[in-house]
Formats: sequence, structure tokens, C-alpha cells
Amino acid sequence: EVQLVESGGGLVQPGGSLRLSCVTSGFTFSSYWMSWVRQAPGKGLEWVATIKQDGSDKYYVDSVRGRFTISRDVAKNSLYLQVNGLRVEDTAVYYCARGKPTYFDNWGKGTLVTVSS
Amino acid sequence: EIVLTQSPATLSLSPGERATLSCRASQSVSGYLAWYQQKPGQAPRLLIYDASNRATGIPARFSGSGSGTDFTLTISSLEPEDFAVYHCQQRLNWPLTFGGGTKVEI
Repeated sequence: EVQLVESGGGLVQPGGSLRLSCVTSGFTFSSYWMSWVRQAPGKGLEWVATIKQDGSDKYYVDSVRGRFTISRDVAKNSLYLQVNGLRVEDTAVYYCARGKPTYFDNWGKGTLVTVSS
Repeated sequence: EIVLTQSPATLSLSPGERATLSCRASQSVSGYLAWYQQKPGQAPRLLIYDASNRATGIPARFSGSGSGTDFTLTISSLEPEDFAVYHCQQRLNWPLTFGGGTKVEI
């Protein structure tokens, strides 16, 4: 069974940082593109970032480029999102998603990031 | 950026009825469009990819059609568990984008 479990969310002040993690199991992690997708409270889905299987290419939505960094650790079957310079508008549930390759065929339950003073 | 516009925003139907949801792209996405279902408090679930291919385990009552800029998700006969929000997503170009969603309610 494919599983993706996010962690690392929380309440942070504007300008703060967090590291989101996604531990995966049930599939060959190194064979898949992986992504982060977020959803602000009561809003739609927004793609945030994607990383290729070998980590050679990374893609970001403009609003986070330069502040967020996606990475992966094949040995730990884990995906990460380092989020710096957080803004109020970054408040959202952040989902880890397995790529097909840039559709999302399996999702975690998400981790909530709240940016507030 | 490719903008996806979903309509209607809300669709009020009864179990057993047919649901027809629309997703229109601001420019052609060829056939690179997916549909997701999201229930309250849950993560989205992939239903349809490449406009018309059902994802693994998705019932046959869900079907997708369209190409270019106009796409449709059809639920042939609504089951109680189908009342949810449906999102479309394109993967032709970066940034990947989603539509605003259609809520199917009783």
C-alpha cells in the first residue's frame, strides 16, 4: 500500500522558517517525481514545487521561488520542503504527492502551516 | 500561466442523477488534463488523467472527455459518496495549475 506521511507544520511568525517532511512507503521512491501541493483554508489547490526522480531538476511556482526549496533523500524514502521567509499568504495545508509524473496519483493527509504574528 | 476555469461553482443534484462538470483552459493544454475528487477534511484523489483515462480503482461511472481548451467530467449516476469538490489540473506547462473547483452537493 502506498503511504505518504507529512510532518513539520506548525504556527510560525511572518519571516520564519520550517522544514516539512514526507516519509513514503509502499513504492519505489527513487522511480517517481514528487511534488508539494498546498491548499489555503477554504480555497482551491495550488501546486508549489516538483522534483524529478534523481533530484536533477526542480520546479517552483513563482510565488515561492527563492524562498522554498524542495529536496529528496532516496535512502530515507523521504521528500522535504524547506520553507523560508514565510508570509501570511503561505498559510495552508501542505500535501506531499506522488507524481504521474506531473499529475498526482497518491497524496498524503497534509500538514498545516499557519503563518501569523 | 494557463488559467483553468471550472463551472459551475456549485452543482446541486440528487443521488442517481447525472453530473456534468466543465473545465475550460485559457489556452490549449492538448489532452494533458486531470480531474481530482476531494471530500471534506481529506486529501484529493486522482480520478481521471490525460483527459479521459480513469485512474486505478476509479468506478466506471466517472468519465472524462475533451481536448484543447474544453473538458468535461461526467458522473453518470451519482452515488451518495460522490458528493464532494472536484478539481481539474493541467500539466502541459509550468506552472502546473488547478481550477477553482466545482462542489457537487445534494
